[in-house]
Amino acid sequence: RKEVEQDPGPFNVPEGATVAFNCTYSNSASQSFFWYRQDCRKEPKLLMSVYSSGNEDGRFTAQLNRASQYISLLIRDSKLSDSATYLCVVTRSGGYNKLIFGAGTRLAVHP
Amino acid sequence: NAGVTQTPKFRILKIGQSMTLQCTQDMNHNYMYWYRQDPGMGLKLIYYSVGAGITDKGEVPNGYNVSRSTTEDFPLRLELAAPSQTSVYFCASSEGTSPLHFGNGTRLTVT
Repeated sequence: RKEVEQDPGPFNVPEGATVAFNCTYSNSASQSFFWYRQDCRKEPKLLMSVYSSGNEDGRFTAQLNRASQYISLLIRDSKLSDSATYLCVVTRSGGYNKLIFGAGTRLAVHP
Repeated sequence: NAGVTQTPKFRILKIGQSMTLQCTQDMNHNYMYWYRQDPGMGLKLIYYSVGAGITDKGEVPNGYNVSRSTTEDFPLRLELAAPSQTSVYFCASSEGTSPLHFGNGTRLTVT
């Protein structure tokens, strides 16, 4: 079993739709959680950190459920520019150098 | 301020050849990392460094070597290239718990 699992997608949605991705992690000692965005053939870039109480950044909302060991990303009012792969990232045991990346969920937003 | 710079962008190697992937950062970050990303897979940590003169193995270090003689530079060496090392390589840096800054990547093909 992978330490961080994501549905690879693709999720094909029309502009303006709301879409949600989940990510599960197996190590209950994981302490920090992030969503990164990766455009085709580009480097990953931090989208947002995920806090225990949940957090929002514009159209993006991230949630953490420690009991069930999953994090989620909700995108409202999808834009064409949101088309990308979204990577779920967790730390293995608190150290920043122990980031574990999921394989990513691909989102395609169409007109 | 260039951030993290990787060279070359592309390279084709024959089996058994050697090469060095260069990585330099101008943000004075202490932490530097090398990841590889295979198609449909998450990024996997090859090696990391927490400061000049200090390096440590990540998840997939076999077939690679690194050095960190200065804060700025963190080259990755492949001594005997194998087809299994065909991948996209990303260098990254961070300071403490700050987000990772990635380079643009090096696409390596070993035939």
